[in-house]
Parts: sequence; structure tokens; C-alpha cells
Amino acid sequence: EAGVTQSPTHLIKTRGQQATLRCSPISGHTSVYWYQQALGLGLQFLLWYDEGEERNRGNFPPRFSGRQFPNYSSELNVNALELEDSALYLCASSGPGTSGGTGNEQFFGPGTRLTVL
Amino acid sequence: KQEVTQIPAALSVPEGENLVLNCSFTDSAIYNLQWFRQDPGKGLTSLLLIQSSQREQTSGRLNASLDKSSGRSTLYIAASQPGDSATYLCAVKGGSYIPTFGRGTSLIVHP
Repeated sequence: EAGVTQSPTHLIKTRGQQATLRCSPISGHTSVYWYQQALGLGLQFLLWYDEGEERNRGNFPPRFSGRQFPNYSSELNVNALELEDSALYLCASSGPGTSGGTGNEQFFGPGTRLTVL
Repeated sequence: KQEVTQIPAALSVPEGENLVLNCSFTDSAIYNLQWFRQDPGKGLTSLLLIQSSQREQTSGRLNASLDKSSGRSTLYIAASQPGDSATYLCAVKGGSYIPTFGRGTSLIVHP
């Protein structure tokens, strides 16, 4: 069974540009979570999508946005990139349920390393 | 607001030792607790998931326990090996359905 996949592996942008990151969940999973992990910091929750809808978002500015497609894959968009957006962006998926499958296990992808110059 | 603390922040041990990593959380109203390992620059690998109704889970040399009432979980690693070197994170899922992560324990097992 294929795991969670993310693309691209690395992304280099300059300040002010836009970045698009993609995530494909495990087959059968409907929930996708996005996290930011900046160097030396813990995982910060960004966004949660389930059944095509945004269910919750973390304490990030509106220039961080995303969507979930009918096949449950997801896209994270970061507009007007700033130097401090440089980080590892992780996507995780879990099983069905609008409650995020309260008991369900999260599985993570390998991440996208975003570097903003 | 849920807060998750992991102690110690870093640990360096010789190969073969049995280890205990600690995770504490402030709100005991949780659905589950999950332990992960993360290698440098990589994603997280799920190790063990403990549901709120369970007391422990085991997988190979790993054993995780959960005491909801005291807000604590421990991850026990038996007979540590250099390949166990990584950062270990615990995550607690509560009423918001958003897992709250600890900062992790960075483990080095030297030969």
C-alpha cells in the first residue's frame, strides 16, 4: 500500500513569490493535515481538510491557504513568500470521519523543504 | 489549550541500554496519543497509537503506556541500537481533533 506522498521534495523561491505544495493521502483516507516545521521549532499546525472542506486552521496569516480535491489530494499555497516561511512542510493523512476519525492514526509524508531567498 | 511536554529534550546513551522517554499533557480529555520518530530532515514515522481507553501498546522493542488521569505517557525502548537514533515525538489528539505535538526527545545511541 502506497504511503502519503508529497511533491516537490525541494522548492526554492524568492521573497514575494508564491509556492504550491501538493499532497496525496493514503488510499481510503479522507483527512489531510498540513504542518510547518521551521528549523529548531516544533510542528506547527497549519490546516486540516476533510471530505473536501476546510475544518480548522492554525494561527497563520491568510496568505497560507489550500484546498482538497475530490480525490482527497490536497494543495497548500503560500502567497507573498517571506524569509521566515523557509521550513519543512509536512502533510499527514488519516482515515474517514468528519471528526478527523477521533481514534484514527496519522501517517506522514516525507515533506517538502521550502527555501525562500 | 492543550500543552505537551517531552522530557528529556536530549539523550545520549551507549548501545544496549533500556530507555524511557516521557510525554506529559495538560488536558486529560483526549481521544488518543501517538508516538512518532523523525530522522533529520525527514517526515514522521508512526511508532505506536494508544487509544484513550487503552493503557499500553507494544511493537517489537517498543512499549508505550498511557495514564490519562495523570496526563502522562512513556515510551520504553528495550536494548537500544544505533539505528534508534532519531527524534521521538508524541502527539495528543483532543477535543479540537487537531493533534498537539511535543517538541521531541533527540536520542543518540552510540556503539
